[in-house]
Amino acid sequence: EAGVAQSPRYKIIEKRQSVAFWCNPISGHATLYWYQQILGQGPKLLIQFQNNGVVDDSQLPKDRFSAERLKGVDSTLKIQPAKLEDSAVYLCASSPTSSGNTIYFGEGSWLTVV
Amino acid sequence: GENVEQHPSTLSVQEGDSAVIKCTYSDSASNYFPWYKQELGKRPQLIIDIRSNVGEKKDQRIAVTLNKTAKHFSLHITETQPEDSAVYFCAATSGGGADGLTFGKGTHLIIQP
Repeated sequence: EAGVAQSPRYKIIEKRQSVAFWCNPISGHATLYWYQQILGQGPKLLIQFQNNGVVDDSQLPKDRFSAERLKGVDSTLKIQPAKLEDSAVYLCASSPTSSGNTIYFGEGSWLTVV
Repeated sequence: GENVEQHPSTLSVQEGDSAVIKCTYSDSASNYFPWYKQELGKRPQLIIDIRSNVGEKKDQRIAVTLNKTAKHFSLHITETQPEDSAVYFCAATSGGGADGLTFGKGTHLIIQP
């Protein structure tokens, strides 16, 4: 079974530039999550989708971050404009439903903002 | 929202000894408590989980205990091996109808040969 796919794996940008990350969840998984993991910390939930609807985006900095899952499968996370403190690993994850089932993570997209 | 505290931040044990990592959570509505292992530069991988209707769960050398009254849960690793060296994260559901996990800050487990 294919896992959660993410791209790009690594990205270096200058502050105030924009960046987009793509995620393809495990086939059939209705729930998709984007987490931010800053070095030395645990992952922090940014946004959760159930199919193509947003369930929770309470911790998403909406002035600069946006995410979409238009067809209920793939998702993109965009940052514009980037700040130095956005340097982190952006982890996409998926689960079959939102009812406390196992969450599977992708390898992550490593972002460095200089 | 949910708050998860994890201790210790670093744990060094001799190979073959046991390791215990402890977490507390704040939201009494939380009902799912997974533990993830993350090796350097890798994705977090689920190693064991427990639900609120169970007090203890074991899988070979790994066990998790849950005390709902005290709102804490623990990971126990017995007969530690060098490959157990990694960062371990506990997590809990956020409650409030959404099921995104809230993670602790992690424990760096070091297995000394």
